[in-house]
Amino acid sequence: DGGITQSPKYLFRKEGQNVTLSCEQNLNHDAMYWYRQDPGQGLRLIYYSQIVNDFQKGDIAEGYSVSREKKESFPLTVTSAQKNPTAFYLCASSIETGGGELFFGEGSRLTVL
Amino acid sequence: KQEVTQIPAALSVPEGENLVLNCSFTDSAIYNLQWFRQDPGKGLTSLLLIQSSQREQTSGRLNASLDKSSGRSTLYIAASQPGDSATYLCAVEDSSYKLIFGSGTRLLVRP
Repeated sequence: DGGITQSPKYLFRKEGQNVTLSCEQNLNHDAMYWYRQDPGQGLRLIYYSQIVNDFQKGDIAEGYSVSREKKESFPLTVTSAQKNPTAFYLCASSIETGGGELFFGEGSRLTVL
Repeated sequence: KQEVTQIPAALSVPEGENLVLNCSFTDSAIYNLQWFRQDPGKGLTSLLLIQSSQREQTSGRLNASLDKSSGRSTLYIAASQPGDSATYLCAVEDSSYKLIFGSGTRLLVRP
């Protein structure tokens, strides 16, 4: 089935460690996105990519990094520079930016111990 | 800066009631508006997408309207069921291709 796969679903990290969250889509979508969701708040955009080998910072990019070497993959690295990384992370994709319907993965919950 | 607000933050209704969820946005320069459903601990599921040139979209018991000039959208749910209990989020795609989300409305439909 076509869709977006995020892994791992749950992840625990010690302070000072970098972790990478995986996002893979087989929808042949050009645009991919990473969002962060905190309790009681809406989703906030971390990074987005409109096409392979290109990505832009969202509203809360500090302490995060991404790459887009393949159309189907958009991994997110949460670095030790992110001061409050405990959150629910959601990956999404759309066929294109500017009018396309957004499809989401099931999310990855990161907890810093 | 685009801001999206959803009212009410939470809503509890008896089964069978028709209900309306509200979404407002501050900048009318949008490409589209999308309504999503989120179950606890899960990702978001797209319900309805309204392009900026459209006034409404319907899917089953759901109807969403868009009034760009007033910066408002409503999601109408007919004959609510306990299975409709979830958080409903609206989001607008702004002129820089970013989706801006509201904080959501938590809906509980009581049997």
